[in-house]
Amino acid sequence: SQLAEENSWALSVHEGESVTVNCSYKTSITALQWYRQKSGKGPAQLILIRSNEREKRNGRLRATLDTSSQSSSLSITATRCEDTAVYFCATDPTSNTNKVVFGTGTRLQVLP
Amino acid sequence: GGIITQTPKFLIGQEGQKLTLKCQQNFNHDTMYWYRQDSGKGLRLIYYSITENDLQKGDLSEGYDASREKKSSFSLTVTSAQKNEMAVFLCASSIAGVDTQYFGPGTRLLVL
Repeated sequence: SQLAEENSWALSVHEGESVTVNCSYKTSITALQWYRQKSGKGPAQLILIRSNEREKRNGRLRATLDTSSQSSSLSITATRCEDTAVYFCATDPTSNTNKVVFGTGTRLQVLP
Repeated sequence: GGIITQTPKFLIGQEGQKLTLKCQQNFNHDTMYWYRQDSGKGLRLIYYSITENDLQKGDLSEGYDASREKKSSFSLTVTSAQKNEMAVFLCASSIAGVDTQYFGPGTRLLVL
């Protein structure tokens, strides 16, 4: 079973709308990261939120972390066509700080 | 800033062939990783290395070997290519014990 997983396989919104991608995980973590992967590229980190933080922002992006329910969300406001990508959550397990466990990803399409 | 280079970009091999993928980073990072990404799926860890000459198995190490002869390079060998191994192989690096991973663009493997 997945140790980290996003809750939707695919989402579609129109440019300018807001969208939220959710993630749930199953182990104790030191941090959770959100990555974005555009077509033909490697993933790139968007936000890192530590286990003692509840919210982190980066421009139009906002990540939340709820360690009691072992869940996180990534919200994107005022979406643009270039936000079209696959979004992954990745957890840093307390048991091994050298490994990051990636979810299966949510494919977001932003339509004009 | 730094960069991760993966060669080749595309690798075509015959079933049963031994194939080697290479990765170079100039971040001066201690830790390097190899992931496999199947079409539409998440990233699965094959091998990682926390320092030169160190190797640690990931969740998907069977059928693969790895080598970290220099801090800046990490190679992955598919010991006997199988048709169900058509995937993108992603290399990443990070500072030791720190979460953010920087990815290369990937090598796409096609087995005929």
